[in-house]
Amino acid sequence: ETGVTQTPRHLVMGMTNKKSLKCEQHLGHNAMYWYKQSAKKPLELMFVYNFKEQTENNSVPSRFSPECPNSSHLFLHLHTLQPEDSALYLCASSQWRREGTEAFFGQGTRLTVV
Amino acid sequence: KNEVEQSPQNLTAQEGEFITINCSYSVGISALHWLQQHPGGGIVSLFMLSSGKKKHGRLIATINIQEKHSSLHITASHPRDSAVYICAVRGSGGGADGLTFGKGTHLIIQP
Repeated sequence: ETGVTQTPRHLVMGMTNKKSLKCEQHLGHNAMYWYKQSAKKPLELMFVYNFKEQTENNSVPSRFSPECPNSSHLFLHLHTLQPEDSALYLCASSQWRREGTEAFFGQGTRLTVV
Repeated sequence: KNEVEQSPQNLTAQEGEFITINCSYSVGISALHWLQQHPGGGIVSLFMLSSGKKKHGRLIATINIQEKHSSLHITASHPRDSAVYICAVRGSGGGADGLTFGKGTHLIIQP
């Protein structure tokens, strides 16, 4: 248990569905992140939130919409996804850019788009 | 942009063997992370190091800044060590943005 909790753990959705992934941390961190991990590829950073403000969006398609209502919660809203969006979505949290700080990752949500 | 290469990509060994996983990167860094990912998907940080060597139980991580290379060693390997081991580097600061990840080394320890 790393202190970062993601729900659901597994999700199967159709291309016309709308769903949301949730991430929660109670580690007192002020930065939260969404990563995508596709088969045979390195982790890719999708979104970064620092003190609830989005600071980075790595050219992610608009069918992925993040929301950070407070520094402890992070959502990823999904709509009209494509089969190639099937992947493991990982949430992480840390202190924002403090030298020597580590990132803590959640268990991930295994998403399958059918 | 930093290029992170891990070797081997896949490794199968017998219980008790000494395991070495290598990571090399192309541009100077402020820190290197070794992460462990179990089949369920969750990632756990094993080490964060910027110089020298760190040891935690049966795990040892070393880094050579001049050669831009790091190794993760597992002594007396056990089937529960079976996982994907990921190397990640960052240029400056701390946290989880600015990290460049390797593709991972898939380790299987057979009883």
